[in-house]
Amino acid sequence: GQNIDQPTEMTATEGAIVQINCTYQTSGFNGLFWYQQHAGEAPTFLSYNVLDGLEEKGRFSSFLSRSKGYSYLLLKELQMKDSASYLCAVRDGDYKLSFGAGTTVTVRA
Amino acid sequence: DADVTQTPRNRITKTGKRIMLECSQTKGHDRMYWYRQDPGLGLRLIYYSFDVKDINKGEISDGYSVSRQAQAKFSLSLESAIPNQTALYFCATSDGAGTGNEKLFFGSGTQLSVL
Repeated sequence: GQNIDQPTEMTATEGAIVQINCTYQTSGFNGLFWYQQHAGEAPTFLSYNVLDGLEEKGRFSSFLSRSKGYSYLLLKELQMKDSASYLCAVRDGDYKLSFGAGTTVTVRA
Repeated sequence: DADVTQTPRNRITKTGKRIMLECSQTKGHDRMYWYRQDPGLGLRLIYYSFDVKDINKGEISDGYSVSRQAQAKFSLSLESAIPNQTALYFCATSDGAGTGNEKLFFGSGTQLSVL
């Protein structure tokens, strides 16, 4: 099984930066994913990390440290439309994907 | 049209009733999954299928069954619904191409309430 922890809620101001941390324990590791889920909608893919380091994609970046069992998602230049839940998901040695409970980010004007 | 379609979108039923949730996809993906989402618990895997003749239990399969009728269709059944199966259910697909970045594509979800 897997243990995936992320904060429940975060609040930030429009234009600011927010960092969502995710820690995990897993038997085997085959990648870490971040998904975005707006209220009442389906999750959509944001990013994928399998090697240590930072992956940048526009305003969003994701970092991975496999030795520490740690990842973060960095959201820059926050916009109101970034208000959503952000799900950390880890794929284990059997290639099964498990999700954290999600972090609800609220962006305030 | 959506690539991954779930029906119904909402369903209210009574304890003990049999319920089937349907999922169909036009993405041509081999792999299909059923998840349920509960507040504070995140998405949990119920069943998954990597091919038409392949069915695998996820972490919370008790009380559920599935059928993979064709590559494009994967249905979830609750033989005798109980109130703690009230949740938001998502079907998802992935291409299983063997590349690391095998992301999931989700349907719009089915909100099921068992009274």
